[in-house]
Amino acid sequence: DAKTTQPPSMDCAEGRAANLPCNHSTISGNEYVYWYRQIHSQGPQYIIHGLKNNETNEMASLIITEDRKSSTLILPHATLRDTAVYYCIVRGGADGLTFGKGTHLIIQP
Amino acid sequence: GAGVSQSPSNKVTEKGKDVELRCDPISGHTALYWYRQSLGQGLEFLIYFQGNSAPDKSGLPSDRFSAERTGGSVSTLTIQRTQQEDSAVYLCASSKNRGRNEKLFFGSGTQLSVL
Repeated sequence: DAKTTQPPSMDCAEGRAANLPCNHSTISGNEYVYWYRQIHSQGPQYIIHGLKNNETNEMASLIITEDRKSSTLILPHATLRDTAVYYCIVRGGADGLTFGKGTHLIIQP
Repeated sequence: GAGVSQSPSNKVTEKGKDVELRCDPISGHTALYWYRQSLGQGLEFLIYFQGNSAPDKSGLPSDRFSAERTGGSVSTLTIQRTQQEDSAVYLCASSKNRGRNEKLFFGSGTQLSVL
């Protein structure tokens, strides 16, 4: 049962910000929002996670709406190497990670 | 090593044969996961180990699949009497500890092809 909804694919021009949306309208109070990505032929890579505050690290920013029903992953200056499938995952502390189909982000030169 | 290591990277086998896939997690990581990913599909959870606790086997698709983790470190996933539908990439991941703020680190996977 999918807890998140993501567009199947998106394009973004190289050098521009890539904004990947995720809907999680049934998220509960103790569940975190995680983002991973999977570059072709590699294992998934952790990007960022958050509970309710916006988060930023060296890879990306995570913006979570005040009602926590949706979030956006922002890659500030996309490069060709950011082409990958991006997974938005909602989980509680005791749960495992359940991967959906994600968004295939294609960075165009 | 610096990351999660899996071997072999590729395995081709005949239907009906047994295979063993190996995972070396990051040193000090107590949690270890196995997932599989069929062509063009998302990741499917198989099994989870946490320290010396009994593993969570809820994702294993049949009794032909088993896994063990010796000494809290290296893990082996065994598939007996392989079938063509077992063809997939088998991914291993480890983390310091299960729970909030957990970050999984994945290996590059083993591509299994059953002919």
